[in-house]
Amino acid sequence: EDQVTQSPEALRLQEGESSSLNCSYTVSGLRGLFWYRQDPGKGPEFLFTLYSAGEEKEKERLKATLTKKESFLHITAPKPEDSATYLCAVQAYRDDKIIFGKGTRLHILP
Amino acid sequence: EAQVTQNPRYLITVTGKKLTVTCSQNMNHEYMSWYRQDPGLGLRQIYYSMNVEVTDKGDVPEGYKVSRKEKRNFPLILESPSPNQTSLYFCASSLSRSGNTIYFGEGSWLTVV
Repeated sequence: EDQVTQSPEALRLQEGESSSLNCSYTVSGLRGLFWYRQDPGKGPEFLFTLYSAGEEKEKERLKATLTKKESFLHITAPKPEDSATYLCAVQAYRDDKIIFGKGTRLHILP
Repeated sequence: EAQVTQNPRYLITVTGKKLTVTCSQNMNHEYMSWYRQDPGLGLRQIYYSMNVEVTDKGDVPEGYKVSRKEKRNFPLILESPSPNQTSLYFCASSLSRSGNTIYFGEGSWLTVV
């Protein structure tokens, strides 16, 4: 069964304290892995798509990486405005179904 | 501006009173879908549509109906809402089902009492 597990569930960091969020996945034939940011009461906002192991993408303080079993979202020198829930999702070739993880709630303290 | 627009944003209704949540996108996307988001359960797909007049069930379709008569619109219908349908609902669209960026609406908070 295809699965997506995100860890940790919640993370509190001081401003400037770099860290990484993990997305472990089990899927037969990965079409793509997606990262989204979601602010409270808002719709998820697209960040990155990764298609193959070894791929990396960056946007401001965020960098997403992909291996055959997991993806990391690295946050460098975070600011309070980076506080949000970060969602990971995978899509399989087999049926194009998209499965979302439950997210990591990130809180950056000033 | 590329947008997925849902209405209403907030609704409190009573058990059994039919309601419709509208969704419209301005990106000429073929693929549209509805999700519900509940604490501890994450985003779960209710229904999706590959194109006009083509709809299919997602993971949690019970109690919901959809229609896709026009490319831009994909309303979600609750024929007889029940309290277990209290949730945050998101409409989403993408160019196609395969590997494309999904754009989400702002969400509709629905409470059924």
